[in-house]
Amino acid sequence: NAGVTQTPKFQVLKTGQSMTLQCAQDMNHNSMYWYRQDPGMGLRLIYYSASEGTTDKGEVPNGYNVSRLNKREFSLRLESAAPSQTSVYFCASSAGDLAGTEAFFGQGTRLTVV
Amino acid sequence: GNSVTQMEGPVTLSEEAFLTINCTYTATGYPSLFWYVQYPGEGLQLLLKATKADDKGSNKGFEATYRKETTSFHLEKGSVQVSDSAVYFCALMTGFQKLVFGTGTRLLVSP
Repeated sequence: NAGVTQTPKFQVLKTGQSMTLQCAQDMNHNSMYWYRQDPGMGLRLIYYSASEGTTDKGEVPNGYNVSRLNKREFSLRLESAAPSQTSVYFCASSAGDLAGTEAFFGQGTRLTVV
Repeated sequence: GNSVTQMEGPVTLSEEAFLTINCTYTATGYPSLFWYVQYPGEGLQLLLKATKADDKGSNKGFEATYRKETTSFHLEKGSVQVSDSAVYFCALMTGFQKLVFGTGTRLLVSP
């Protein structure tokens, strides 16, 4: 019963390096999301995908790109990491077809950019 | 735009005390409202929800009522336990299934 799986759990990058955060869900959900969590800021939406083949910007998309590879997988890429991207990143998914549909979250990726 | 405002924490209580965490929202249309909880080192999990005005969500002794007239969704529990120590997030969902979160309120319960 995996739910939403994120990899890696921890990562340290140097400024300017690139990396991809992976996310997969096994609940056959249509919608997937990437959030970042910063102290005192709550969770802010980076990108979301309402269905396979579509992606849209959220509140804080600058410096990130996403790929909805298939219905299960939604990756987040940092092309040139900056210290301001130090954060905890959460992937989430939901069925997305009814009002009030619950979102399920992964365990998070703690990213530090030095 | 849509937004959620929560009371700042931390909220520090003794075991068996009454809990209220305030949440108000701004949204166009009729959003669904949620409370999520985050235990240390974990992701968020749904605590309760309400999808229309006057609905009451409840779970594990926690309750919240969707008040359209005051645009509020305050979280309450009659008697907190040490195991309730966590961060609580109020959130709303509007069209396109986008969840918008408040900043979170940390609850610390001491024995």
